[in-house]
Amino acid sequence: GAGVSQTPSNKVTEKGKYVELRCDPISGHTALYWYRQSLGQGPEFLIYFQGTGAADDSGLPNDRFFAVRPEGSVSTLKIQRTERGDSAVYLCASSALRVSNTGELFFGEGSRLTVL
Amino acid sequence: DAKTTQPTSMDCAEGRAANLPCNHSTISGNEYVYWYRQIHSQGPQYIIHGLKNNETNEMASLIITEDRKSSTLILPHATLRDTAVYYCIVRVPPLLNSNSGYALNFGKGTSLLVTP
Repeated sequence: GAGVSQTPSNKVTEKGKYVELRCDPISGHTALYWYRQSLGQGPEFLIYFQGTGAADDSGLPNDRFFAVRPEGSVSTLKIQRTERGDSAVYLCASSALRVSNTGELFFGEGSRLTVL
Repeated sequence: DAKTTQPTSMDCAEGRAANLPCNHSTISGNEYVYWYRQIHSQGPQYIIHGLKNNETNEMASLIITEDRKSSTLILPHATLRDTAVYYCIVRVPPLLNSNSGYALNFGKGTSLLVTP
């Protein structure tokens, strides 16, 4: 498809389990972002990739959260030992960094994570 | 990035213009004003951005005051599909700041309800 694709759209898991969320960005977009959105709040930045490397991971809340982008395209957000407080919608966005571009981000529909 | 202040919620009648204000009194000279919106259960969507001149595109108009301390997003003929949370964000575009993390700081935005 032409847009940012995220899977799964919904994930229900039990406290303590491991979870992976996948993001497939728009083809050719070198920048990729992960955000987290809790109910009633705006999206909260987690991590930003430029190509394969994490250029800014200052938003990751703790070491249970980790993200990779091994080939500079698809990214996976990994959450270990999930807690009920991790329940949120996880949003992925991508962006093309060109001279003509001023940083517009294209978002996916999000992955809704529920930790029971 | 400079902080922004927006009203929590607004109503607008269908077919009328919706005028959404944003205060950004601490904006610096190289920071742009961006607007995104988020329709329920979807990812945020880019609307428009500007530096100091008024801007218009197929979605909206952006009016920035001469001192750049505030701006207004205008939806000229609001429809029911424009019901969403609207985020005003101030930031330096990534290509103007190689140290920028590129992350958008969303805040809580304005919840716009368009009524029949």
